[in-house]
Amino acid sequence: QQPVQSPQAVILREGEDAVINCSSSKALYSVHWYRQKHGEAPVFLMILLKGGEQKGHEKISASFNEKKQQSSLYLTASQLSYSGTYFCGAAPPSQGNLIFGKGTKLSVKP
Amino acid sequence: DAGVTQSPTHLIKTRGQQVTLRCSPKSGHDTVSWYQQALGQGPQFIFQYYEEEERQRGNFPDRFSGHQFPNYSSELNVNALLLGDSALYLCASSLRSGVYNEQFFGPGTRLTVL
Repeated sequence: QQPVQSPQAVILREGEDAVINCSSSKALYSVHWYRQKHGEAPVFLMILLKGGEQKGHEKISASFNEKKQQSSLYLTASQLSYSGTYFCGAAPPSQGNLIFGKGTKLSVKP
Repeated sequence: DAGVTQSPTHLIKTRGQQVTLRCSPKSGHDTVSWYQQALGQGPQFIFQYYEEEERQRGNFPDRFSGHQFPNYSSELNVNALLLGDSALYLCASSLRSGVYNEQFFGPGTRLTVL
């Protein structure tokens, strides 16, 4: 079951904040966040494990609510370079593959 | 430290043909996963290889097959190409025994089927 991302798209001015949400109907072991710019490969941003461990870039923060099977990515003081499509990838227990959402397109304007 | 590499970058084929895409994982990684990404969509899992065996498979027909070599590199083969196979094919590598199992993607191969 594909995770659901919201919003589908968001436009920001430089310096503004944004939250991108990802929810799954199935139990998850971990949630992975990626950013993809047009014509490029997805770039790893953050991984959150069941139990609270996480690993990612210093300037990116995220949360994982295990009970609700939801994750949120927090982008603060946005920069032009934050523009791109953000994908969450859900990893079910005992499975190594990722099931990706449809993505959230973020545009940061000067 | 080389990241994930894929070849070729672009490929144009006609319906019914066969294609082979190649992937070299990031140094130190032992697991390779393949994804298909249609325009405007998230990547869709095709299959994953570890220790030269297919370990998991997504909802893709048998026309999609793969291989992993002793040096951990991998190939994706698609037979009897259909127009709907046109997509960006992404390879991702990871370390199976790693705690976090983060996957790193290559630049992809853009396949166009005419």
